Amino acid sequence: AQSVTQLDSHVSVSEGTPVLLRCNYSSSYSPSLFWYVQHPNKGLQLLLKYTSAATLVKGINGFEAEFKKSETSFHLTKPSAHMSDAAEYFCVVTDYSSASKIIFGSGTRLSIRP
Amino acid sequence: DAGVTQSPTHLIKTRGQQVTLRCSPKSGHDTVSWYQQALGQGPQFIFQYYEEEERQRGNFPDRFSGHQFPNYSSELNVNALLLGDSALYLCASSLFLPGSSYNEQFFGPGTRLTVL
Repeated sequence: AQSVTQLDSHVSVSEGTPVLLRCNYSSSYSPSLFWYVQHPNKGLQLLLKYTSAATLVKGINGFEAEFKKSETSFHLTKPSAHMSDAAEYFCVVTDYSSASKIIFGSGTRLSIRP
Repeated sequence: DAGVTQSPTHLIKTRGQQVTLRCSPKSGHDTVSWYQQALGQGPQFIFQYYEEEERQRGNFPDRFSGHQFPNYSSELNVNALLLGDSALYLCASSLFLPGSSYNEQFFGPGTRLTVL
């Protein structure tokens, strides 16, 4: 079965410093992987997606992620954190049984220190 | 163009009661999926509706049921509510694309259900 593991439940960085949110996946086939962001009292928003094209994926708001098959990882990075980046981030994998079914990780809460 | 909308935004029920949550998909979308997000956790897939039929189901009991209408909107019904059903219920819509490995999901803001 497909699954994702987010290695940190909470990450805190200073404004202007790099962000790294870690995600490992488990899949018996070539998965599609995504990062979603959830701001308080707002819906989930797709940040970026990997669907077997380029392994380095660029998303919105300066975020990017690199698919590493050998490490089964899909870490999310941003060179310089902004206060508005404070939110919950979810690593997500598609389920092989349906192109419309996705499996979420447990989430990483990103805090930004002034 | 309205995105995915859900109603109500908040709901308080007592144990044993029944609840109905509603979702209108993004314009042009024909598939609706429902997720339960307990506090501090990631969303868990409940089920998915396409062409007015349940197509996929997650690991949820039969107390959770749904419906999709001809206009693609959907309802989630939960019977015999338990305290553990307290959560944020998210609806996501997508367009079914034959042969695609992924149909992008667009999420609504959710309905916060509290069971007392």
